Amino acid sequence: GAVVSQHPSWVICKSGTSVKIECRSLDFQATTMFWYRQFPKQSLMLMATSNEGSKATYEQGVEKDKFLINHASLTLSTLTVTSAHPEDSSFYICSARDIDRGEYEQYFGPGTRLTVT
Amino acid sequence: GEDVEQSLFLSVREGDSSVINCTYTDSSSTYLYWYKQEPGAGLQLLTYIFSNMDMKQDQRLTVLLNKKDKHLSLRIADTQTGDSAIYFCAENNFNKFYFGSGTKLNVKP
Repeated sequence: GAVVSQHPSWVICKSGTSVKIECRSLDFQATTMFWYRQFPKQSLMLMATSNEGSKATYEQGVEKDKFLINHASLTLSTLTVTSAHPEDSSFYICSARDIDRGEYEQYFGPGTRLTVT
Repeated sequence: GEDVEQSLFLSVREGDSSVINCTYTDSSSTYLYWYKQEPGAGLQLLTYIFSNMDMKQDQRLTVLLNKKDKHLSLRIADTQTGDSAIYFCAENNFNKFYFGSGTKLNVKP
């Protein structure tokens, strides 16, 4: 149980285009999902907290107009990288909290590797 | 985010014990975690410890928490080549996770 999927697992796009990444909780409901990015050989950086039915809250320094987050249902959150540039190339990982479990655990997706050319 | 620090590399021989250390800054963290990441993959939760505990053991894994010094460690007994990966500690602060920089564990046969 507690599986989180991401789609796509990797994507290559041209500079200036937008890319949407999906994060799904497959066997549980998640009122809260989180988006992280990870640069090569670096740690995960929390970008934003995605709340079902309300606006996402962004960490300091993360441009909300560039990284659009939508959490339309209890099992799906999407991250859209708008007008992507090569510096947006990164590994994006989402996680989800099961509303029926305690606060202690988040379940992580396998990640999406974005390459902007 | 919060400041969570780890040493970057650790190299051990197969069969030896590995100890990975982590320091954190926020004393209000309720849970602390260890995750494993293999190349190109997502994160796998290894274990976690509640902040009012000093130690937690789970098969080959032992977590020690020194809350006074804000120091967390992960000991892997009888380290195997399959344990080679990057290990992240993380703290849960008001339901947000903050990760350390990761320690790359290299296990030599």
